[in-house]
Amino acid sequence: EAEVAQSPRYKITEKSQAVAFWCDPISGHATLYWYRQILGQGPELLVQFQDESVVDDSQLPKDRFSAERLKGVDSTLKIQPAELGDSAMYLCASSPLAGRTSTDTQYFGPGTRLTVL
Amino acid sequence: GQSLEQPSEVTAVEGAIVQINCTYQTSGFYGLSWYQQHDGGAPTFLSYNALDGLEETGRFSSFLSRSDSYGYLLLQELQMKDSASYFCAVRDEYPNAGKSTFGDGTTLTVKP
Repeated sequence: EAEVAQSPRYKITEKSQAVAFWCDPISGHATLYWYRQILGQGPELLVQFQDESVVDDSQLPKDRFSAERLKGVDSTLKIQPAELGDSAMYLCASSPLAGRTSTDTQYFGPGTRLTVL
Repeated sequence: GQSLEQPSEVTAVEGAIVQINCTYQTSGFYGLSWYQQHDGGAPTFLSYNALDGLEETGRFSSFLSRSDSYGYLLLQELQMKDSASYFCAVRDEYPNAGKSTFGDGTTLTVKP
C-alpha cells in the first residue's frame, strides 16, 4: 500500500538554527499539505500545494517558515531560525483531488517530531 | 474562520458503545471528517459526511446534521486497540476545497 514518506522522523536542534523537513507524497497525488501539531491539539494547516503552486499559506509564519514543491512531487518545509515554540510534530499529508469529490481524503505521513532546545 | 468543539476525554469499557460529539462554527462548510490517531502515530482517515445522516463503516459510524452544525462518531463493540485520539475536521468549500480545520481531539480510553 502506498504511503506518504517523511524524513527525518525526529529532529533536535538549538534555537536560532535552521531545520528542514522532507515529504514525498503518494504517487499521483496532486495536493500536498503541511500541518503542525502541538501536543494535545489537532493538526493546524501551515501550507497547501496544488501541484507546484501554493494555494493556501495563510497560517504559515512567513518570517521564519518557507515551503516549496518545485516539481510538484516532493516538498520541503524549512524553519530559519527555529524558536522554542516551534517544538511540535510536523505532518505531511497528500490527497488526489484537493477535496473536489466527497470521497477525497487526506493520507498522512508519520511526521517529524521537532524539539527545539 | 472555523472552530470545532469536542470533548477532551472519553472512557469506556471493552465491548461497549461510545459516541464522540463534535460541534462546529464555520464560515464555509463542505463536509465533516473523522480521523484516528494513536499515540505517536499519524492521523488515519475513518469517515466522512457531506450530507445529513448516518454513514456506517464496519464498527464505526458517523452522523451529520448540517442544520445543527453537529456531528458525532459512534464506535461499537469497543476493543482495546480503539484507545486513541479522535479528531473531527471540517472540510472547507470551494475555492478552499481540500482545506481541513481540525478540532483538538478526544482521547478515548478503553478499559478491560
